[in-house]
Amino acid sequence: GQNIDQPTEMTATEGAIVQINCTYQTSGFNGLFWYQQHAGEAPTFLSYNVLDGLEEKGRFSSFLSRSKGYSYLLLKELQMKDSASYLCANMDSNYQLIWGAGTKLIIKP
Amino acid sequence: IAGITQAPTSQILAAGRRMTLRCTQDMRHNAMYWYRQDLGLGLRLIHYSNTAGTTGKGEVPDGYSVSRANTDDFPLTLASAVPSQTSVYFCASSDSIGQGSDTQYFGPGTRLTVL
Repeated sequence: GQNIDQPTEMTATEGAIVQINCTYQTSGFNGLFWYQQHAGEAPTFLSYNVLDGLEEKGRFSSFLSRSKGYSYLLLKELQMKDSASYLCANMDSNYQLIWGAGTKLIIKP
Repeated sequence: IAGITQAPTSQILAAGRRMTLRCTQDMRHNAMYWYRQDLGLGLRLIHYSNTAGTTGKGEVPDGYSVSRANTDDFPLTLASAVPSQTSVYFCASSDSIGQGSDTQYFGPGTRLTVL
């Protein structure tokens, strides 16, 4: 079967760094996506990885290891506005996104 | 308009009624999608369309139908609503299907409650 696992909830402090992990088991692989979703809003695109390694984009970075079926999203210099759910999604062999349930990130002052 | 719009924003519906959720995009994207999002579950694909005139079934298509008469519009119809269809529905679009880098862009969602 196809499965995406990520922690349900994480808490971090403003100004700190947090790493949100995602493991996946899907039929085929065409890339790993991370989206941000604020409560009551639509998901918005954050990052895409198709090759192993780290992709850095400002305060956010995303890492992929295809051999391990593993990715993480790294958020630096956390701000209160980063409080949101972070969704991991794998694009399978049919080019359809298989989504994790999301990690709710709570930022405390 | 810019991006994707959905209507209505929210709706309360009696079981057994027919309902169409509307989705329009102005990005000239070829591919469009309908997802439902339920608490504790990931987004689940209901139906998709690679291009105008074609549609396909996703993970949870039962009880839903779609049409794609033109590039911009992708309505989702519930022929006879049931309480298990209570959910938040998101429409999304991407430039194409078949390239891993194609990012999906989401509409604001429709919150549907079936009583």
